[in-house]
Amino acid sequence: GQQVMQIPQYQHVQEGEDFTTYCNSSTTLSNIQWYKQRPGGHPVFLIQLVKSGEVKKQKRLTFQFGEAKKNSSLHITATQTTDVGTYFCAGRLTTDSWGKLQFGAGTQVVVTP
Amino acid sequence: NAGVTQTPKFQVLKTGQSMTLQCAQDMNHEYMSWYRQDPGMGLRLIHYSVGAGITDQGEVPNGYNVSRSTTEDFPLRLLSAAPSQTSVYFCASNNRVNEQYFGPGTRLTVT
Repeated sequence: GQQVMQIPQYQHVQEGEDFTTYCNSSTTLSNIQWYKQRPGGHPVFLIQLVKSGEVKKQKRLTFQFGEAKKNSSLHITATQTTDVGTYFCAGRLTTDSWGKLQFGAGTQVVVTP
Repeated sequence: NAGVTQTPKFQVLKTGQSMTLQCAQDMNHEYMSWYRQDPGMGLRLIHYSVGAGITDQGEVPNGYNVSRSTTEDFPLRLLSAAPSQTSVYFCASNNRVNEQYFGPGTRLTVT
């Protein structure tokens, strides 16, 4: 079964609002990555977090990796229509080989102008 | 660089037919993988390869074969297509810091 869970599955956001999507693993992760997929497109790498408690920012996006390295979050401030798409987290289990990732089911984001 | 390329973009097969999905990358990445994407299920790993001549099974390998004779190419073969294999297929390769680059995908329908 799926070891990396993402919530919520869908997120409707008014333009200008903030929202957060969460990623949780039942086991410890070596690292966590986030991807964005636009409708009809392919996943595009956004960021990788490796250290416990790590926080990284990309403009309006803030990524966090939990202290126990079992969860992560993506927070978007002042949502814009360009943020539309599905956001996936992907983690490498400590028991898996380098490069092998477990993807969450994704959070589909719809932005209302 | 073209990055990761996939052919064909679209394909319709009849049940029982076989076909090969092509994937190539020009970034000299050792690690390559194949995923399928179905609604509400994210990306599920079919097969992966850590280098030429080495392949391994992912989460959903049944009904699929792969080979890796060169660093650049990683084709995925459907042995006998079934309607359950209707999906979008993505090929990906990883750079040295494990960032994964995806191809544009192949949309496969099996009737």
